[in-house]
Amino acid sequence: KNEVEQSPQNLTAQEGEFITINCSYSVGISALHWLQQHPGGGIVSLFMLSSGKKKHGRLIATINIQEKHSSLHITASHPRDSAVYICAVIFNTDKLIFGTGTRLQVFP
Amino acid sequence: DTAVSQTPKYLVTQMGNDKSIKCEQNLGHDTMYWYKQDSKKFLKIMFSYNNKELIINETVPNRFSPKSPDKAHLNLHINSLELGDSAVYFCASSLNFEQYFGPGTRLTVT
Repeated sequence: KNEVEQSPQNLTAQEGEFITINCSYSVGISALHWLQQHPGGGIVSLFMLSSGKKKHGRLIATINIQEKHSSLHITASHPRDSAVYICAVIFNTDKLIFGTGTRLQVFP
Repeated sequence: DTAVSQTPKYLVTQMGNDKSIKCEQNLGHDTMYWYKQDSKKFLKIMFSYNNKELIINETVPNRFSPKSPDKAHLNLHINSLELGDSAVYFCASSLNFEQYFGPGTRLTVT
């Protein structure tokens, strides 16, 4: 069992829908990343958070340290949001452990 | 200017060969990493260096040898390549847990 579990594994949506991707982890962490990987392959860090909530444009990330759970929300989804979203947790040693990713496809 | 760069972008080679992938960051970060993404797109840490010193070595075969000539560079040398080494290799650097990824190197071993 992976120490970082994401759900769902695959997600399809119509343009404009509200999207939620969940991440649960089983160990104590220093921080958590939400990463985006487009079909072209590059990886971009969307958020790094250790508590509470962060917002950037249509993206919102939340984390509950006590429940060991984080969510990534996309409001008013758009086809350009189609990508793989990866949750990654950071231990004290600066080691990242990755979730298996959520493949999102948004159709017009 | 690209923050984290890797060369080459694509590498096709035969089994048994030795190859290197280079990584450079111009962000002034102390910590650099190598990650491997397998055919199922799962990412896993291989190595972590802090200020040219090896910090993390995640049970990677000793055919893989990272080398950090200075803080801005972390190269990955692979000896006796095997079919299972085919993957995308990402370099990254970090500061205060923020991670910046290189564009990746797709290695295909035939």
